Amino acid sequence: EAQVTQNPRYLITVTGKKLTVTCSQNMNHEYMSWYRQDPGLGLRQIYYSMNVEVTDKGDVPEGYKVSRKEKRNFPLILESPSPNQTSLYFCASSLRPAGDSYEQYFGPGTRLTVT
Amino acid sequence: EDQVTQSPEALRLQEGESSSLNCSYTVSGLRGLFWYRQDPGKGPEFLFTLYSAGEEKEKERLKATLTKKESFLHITAPKPEDSATYLCAFSSNTGKLIFGQGTTLQVKP
Repeated sequence: EAQVTQNPRYLITVTGKKLTVTCSQNMNHEYMSWYRQDPGLGLRQIYYSMNVEVTDKGDVPEGYKVSRKEKRNFPLILESPSPNQTSLYFCASSLRPAGDSYEQYFGPGTRLTVT
Repeated sequence: EDQVTQSPEALRLQEGESSSLNCSYTVSGLRGLFWYRQDPGKGPEFLFTLYSAGEEKEKERLKATLTKKESFLHITAPKPEDSATYLCAFSSNTGKLIFGQGTTLQVKP
């Protein structure tokens, strides 16, 4: 089954404690993205990756890091989480860049709470 | 500045009561307009892509249309299982993908 998986699905942590949210896709997609979704603000792109070892900032990259060492995996790293990073996070993948009008496949989401 | 606005924010319908959701946009150059459905606790699920004014696409009780300034998602004779949040997004000539805030639809039996 074609899918994007994320782990963990729920995470409660404290300010400053480094964490990683994993994302994996099994569709051999080149393009992957991370989004955060906040009430009243919609989905905003954090980082994206065009291919292995190629990553770039989205609209709200501050406080986040990513890496793309393998085509299928695109982890999101919060080195020193703060309460304003409490949000619902989605990983997505597509065959080609989403901005080129290719449909994206989204993961189930990770709800992060930073206290 | 590229931006997208969805209306209404929330919509309640009785089963069988047809209606439309609106997605208006201002963009320097439109590459594509997307509609997604999002169920509570899940990621968005792709519905349609529209590329040019006048284009229409249908899927079961849903029909998406596109003009030069807005897109409509028409829901004909909705059922309770159509209850969800519907997101529109567009991609511009800059390559960016911009999402609207969504319309939450509730269909009561």
